[in-house]
Order: sequence, then C-alpha cells, then structure tokens
Amino acid sequence: NAGVTQTPKFRILKIGQSMTLQCAQDMNHNYMYWYRQDPGMGLKLIYYSVGAGITDKGEVPNGYNVSRSTTEDFPLRLELAAPSQTSVYFCASSYSTRRGDEQYFGPGTRLTVT
Amino acid sequence: DAKTTQPNSMESNEEEPVHLPCNHSTISGTDYIHWYRQLPSQGPEYVIHGLTSNVNNRMASLAIAEDRKSSTLILHRATLRDAAVYYCILLISSGSARQLTFGSGTQLTVLP
Repeated sequence: NAGVTQTPKFRILKIGQSMTLQCAQDMNHNYMYWYRQDPGMGLKLIYYSVGAGITDKGEVPNGYNVSRSTTEDFPLRLELAAPSQTSVYFCASSYSTRRGDEQYFGPGTRLTVT
Repeated sequence: DAKTTQPNSMESNEEEPVHLPCNHSTISGTDYIHWYRQLPSQGPEYVIHGLTSNVNNRMASLAIAEDRKSSTLILHRATLRDAAVYYCILLISSGSARQLTFGSGTQLTVLP
C-alpha cells in the first residue's frame, strides 16, 4: 500500500496562474479531504468528499475547486493563484464509520505564489 | 463550534512519561476526541481517539475526564522521535460529514 500520495511536492506559481494539486489513495477509503496549513498554524479544511461524485465545502473553500470522479483520486484546483494561497496543502482519506474516523495524510505539497 | 485548548509548548526528558492536557469544555455528547501529531515537514499522523472511556494503544493512552470536558494524552516513555506538535481535536459529525477542526497544538520537546 502506498497510502495517500500527493504531487507535486513543491511548486512556485505566479499570481493569476492556475494549477491542479493531485491526490490519490489506494486504501479504498470513501472519505477524502483537502487541508491547508499556514506557517505556525493548525490545518484548515478546504473541501471534502464522502464518495465518488459527492463533494462539499469545508472551512476555507474560496479560490479552490475539487472533483471526485473515482474513489481513488481527489484533485484540488486553484484557478487564479493569489499570494494568500501560499501554504502547505495536505490531502487525507478515511473510512466512513460511526465510531470516528482515523484520517491518513499525504506528505503535503508546498505551494508558493509570488 | 466545539473547540479545544492546549498549552503552546511542553518539555519532557527522554524515557520519562509525558502528560499532554487538552480542554474541550463545549464538547457535545457525540463528539469524539482525537489526537494527531505532526513531525517536522510531514503530514499529521493519527495517535489515538476516544469517546467516553480511557483508551490504550501501542503509541499512547488517552484519559478522558468523567464530564468529558478535558482529556490527557499520555506517552508512557518519551523518545526523541516523539518530538512533534500534538493536536487535540474534536471529531464533529453532522449528517454524512465528519470534520476534524485543528487548533494550533502543543509543541513537545524531548530532551536527551
């Protein structure tokens, strides 16, 4: 099992450019999540998905879009990059259970917008 | 929103027990208490979770107060590899959504 994988590891964007952060998991998890982490802070939820074809907004969705066409993949799209989107982005996945979900995190993508 | 309060930082000596406290006075009856840790330049890693009873696993123990307004993560023998930021989080379930709300965590330093 590779777990949760993210690409790229690092990226520098110019203001106004677009890009897609890739996330894949091979654990057959239903739930997938995108978080961002600003320096010295905890993680904030951007979007999440409870299964293929179903997505919903988290705490900080503005400036981002997601899609979930398969169980395995959950890409995050930045349409018009802004300096405020400079952050580390983490993708995570989990089973859907009633007892509380253990989330598995990827290694992160460090994005700088200049 | 149910939130948690943790000390910004703690220190421990290697091979001694560590007790990391967390207050969550606004917890509701169905909120699970989760602990994650984050080593430098890595994604968060699950440590343990519980609802009402104390819990043990290979990594740690979780002691939950009877009124559930506070909890303590216990590392029985700290090692240098346990130096990380530890997050106490409430898992809030609303319909099909299960959201972890991260605070700023406790930076644990382990001294050799």
